[in-house]
Amino acid sequence: GAVVSQHPSWVICKSGTSVKIECRSLDFQATTMFWYRQFPKQSLMLMATSNEGSKATYEQGVEKDKFLINHASLTLSTLTVTSAHPEDSSFYICSARHGAAPGELFFGEGSRLTVL
Amino acid sequence: AQTVTQSQPEMSVQEAETVTLSCTYDTSESDYYLFWYKQPPSRQMILVIRQEAYKQQNATENRFSVNFQKAAKSFSLKISDSQLGDAAMYFCAYCQGAQKLVFGQGTRLTINP
Repeated sequence: GAVVSQHPSWVICKSGTSVKIECRSLDFQATTMFWYRQFPKQSLMLMATSNEGSKATYEQGVEKDKFLINHASLTLSTLTVTSAHPEDSSFYICSARHGAAPGELFFGEGSRLTVL
Repeated sequence: AQTVTQSQPEMSVQEAETVTLSCTYDTSESDYYLFWYKQPPSRQMILVIRQEAYKQQNATENRFSVNFQKAAKSFSLKISDSQLGDAAMYFCAYCQGAQKLVFGQGTRLTINP
């Protein structure tokens, strides 16, 4: 099946710094990618929809200036957590749409962010 | 807004036995898709099975099958001949139109040897 890769898989940073997480579709082009956040023992919460060449669409309650999303090419979307704070510590997962059928989504391995 | 509810936070089953995970959802749409995803300890989400709402026939994938009751808005997952590798978090999800997946709270499945 299609492969989606995230990098880094695990990152620790100091409070106040910015962290960039990459999501790549390795063997297909993805015009749309999605970013999710998952707290321990909880479900995935959609943060934003990333569209290649246009601005991301954020879900209600998600700070656009806090979580910057860029989808500059058909195989790469990035999520930058700006001025990170301990409450931003979480597991971030991306998915990319492959194919025309709804739900043809492939997920990355996830990135665990820990802010000290 | 669409919601997905999984009322079983945890389930356990003996190896080789059958287990059913429950899922209900709320929507006013008639055309949509339902999914079961598996999230093993590695945390990567894996699609287990998909059901199109316009299809009356229940989807099956090897040992995995669903019981889709559209009128009742119920979408349960049955795992037959449970294996140790089936141990994971299972998420029920709904998708319509814009392809935004709405996930349930998840059910942690334990397989007892």
